[in-house]
Amino acid sequence: GAVVSQHPSWVICKSGTSVKIECRSLDFQATTMFWYRQFPKQSLMLMATSNEGSKATYEQGVEKDKFLINHASLTLSTLTVTSAHPEDSSFYICSAKDRDYEQYFGPGTRLTVT
Amino acid sequence: GQNIDQPTEMTATEGAIVQINCTYQTSGFNGLFWYQQHAGEAPTFLSYNVLDGLEEKGRFSSFLSRSKGYSYLLLKELQMKDSASYLCAVVDSNYQLIWGAGTKLIIKP
Repeated sequence: GAVVSQHPSWVICKSGTSVKIECRSLDFQATTMFWYRQFPKQSLMLMATSNEGSKATYEQGVEKDKFLINHASLTLSTLTVTSAHPEDSSFYICSAKDRDYEQYFGPGTRLTVT
Repeated sequence: GQNIDQPTEMTATEGAIVQINCTYQTSGFNGLFWYQQHAGEAPTFLSYNVLDGLEEKGRFSSFLSRSKGYSYLLLKELQMKDSASYLCAVVDSNYQLIWGAGTKLIIKP
């Protein structure tokens, strides 16, 4: 149980375009979902926390207008990177938790902006 | 502020034992997680400690001392596939996960 999927696994896009990444909890209802970014050889960096039906809470330094998060249901959250630039190239990982404390991670999405 | 410290990198030999330490200063404490992350992959759950003491799970064990703000992950009978980063994370008083920077473990034959 407790499986989280992400789609796509990897994506290459041109600078200036937008990319949407989906995160789904497959066998449980996720009250909270988290979006992380990880640059090579660095630790996870929390970007935002989203609760179903409410606006996401962004960490300091994360542009909310650039990284749009929609948590429309208890099993789906989406992250849209708008007007992507090469410096947005990174590994984006979502996680979801139900009522306990453990976070279940998705497999990650590798974004490359050319 | 909140802070979690763990060594940046450790090297060990196949078949040996290694201990990865984690110290924390957080606003409240509601448990500590250890995750394993292979390069290019998402983290996977290893252990969760909320009470003092040692939790053993196969080759991996995790220890917690809340009074000292200290935990360690013990890996026995090391295998090459154990080469990965090991992340320590603490649940604070707001039930948010505070992440350490991770320890890169290199296993040599």
